[in-house]
Amino acid sequence: DTGVSQDPRHKITKRGQNVTFRCDPISEHNRLYWYRQTLGQGPEFLTYFQNEAQLEKSRLLSDRFSAERPKGSFSTLEIQRTEQGDSAMYLCAGAGGPPDTQYFGPGTRLTVL
Amino acid sequence: DAKTTQPNSMESNEEEPVHLPCNHSTISGTDYIHWYRQLPSQGPEYVIHGLTSNVNNRMASLAIAEDRKSSTLILHRATLRDAAVYYCILRSSGGSNYKLTFGKGTLLTVNP
Repeated sequence: DTGVSQDPRHKITKRGQNVTFRCDPISEHNRLYWYRQTLGQGPEFLTYFQNEAQLEKSRLLSDRFSAERPKGSFSTLEIQRTEQGDSAMYLCAGAGGPPDTQYFGPGTRLTVL
Repeated sequence: DAKTTQPNSMESNEEEPVHLPCNHSTISGTDYIHWYRQLPSQGPEYVIHGLTSNVNNRMASLAIAEDRKSSTLILHRATLRDAAVYYCILRSSGGSNYKLTFGKGTLLTVNP
C-alpha cells in the first residue's frame, strides 16, 4: 500500500458528460503527477504539480482537461465533454524528496460509452 | 527523453532467478536508471534505481554495465507474485519535473 488513494476506482459515463477524479497523496508528497494508461501501453505523463502550482502539462492534455491541486494536498482531474478516446486508466502518483520515487495510486478506470 | 529497449515478454519458473535486460544506448551522464513494475489491475510500483554502481534492495538487484548503455534487473528467486510488467525508465536528474516516460515494458510470466 503506497498510501496514495484515488476515487472513484471505476467510472462509466456517456459521451459528452463531464467527469472528475480525485487523488489523495500522503502529506509528504509535495510533488504530484497524473498519468493516463490505455490498454497494452505504459502510462503516459499528463501533468505535474509541485505543491499547489501546476508546473507542466503534456500536449496530451487538451483544453477539455483541467487539473487542480488546491492547498497542495489532494488533486482533481476533470474531463469535460468526454469522448470515447478518453477511455483509459487515469493514474496519480505522489513524490517527496530525493530520490523522487513516485508512489502510484490504484488508478481510476474510465469507460466512455 | 532517452529511449530504452526491453523484450516484450519473458518467462520464468518459480523460485528461479530472473534477469530482465534493458538497453539504453543513448543514456546521458545525468540519467538515472529506474525500474518500476505493474501488477495486474494495479498502479506501477517502484522497484529499484541506480546511476553507475550496482544496487541491491529487498526486492531486487540492479546491474549496470560499465558503459551504462545497458542494465539488468535481477529477481533472485521469482515468485508467482512477481508476475507483472516491468518497466525500465531513464529519468533525468536535471530540472524539477521528474516525470517518468514509460515504454511498453517486459511482461514477466512466472510458471509454478
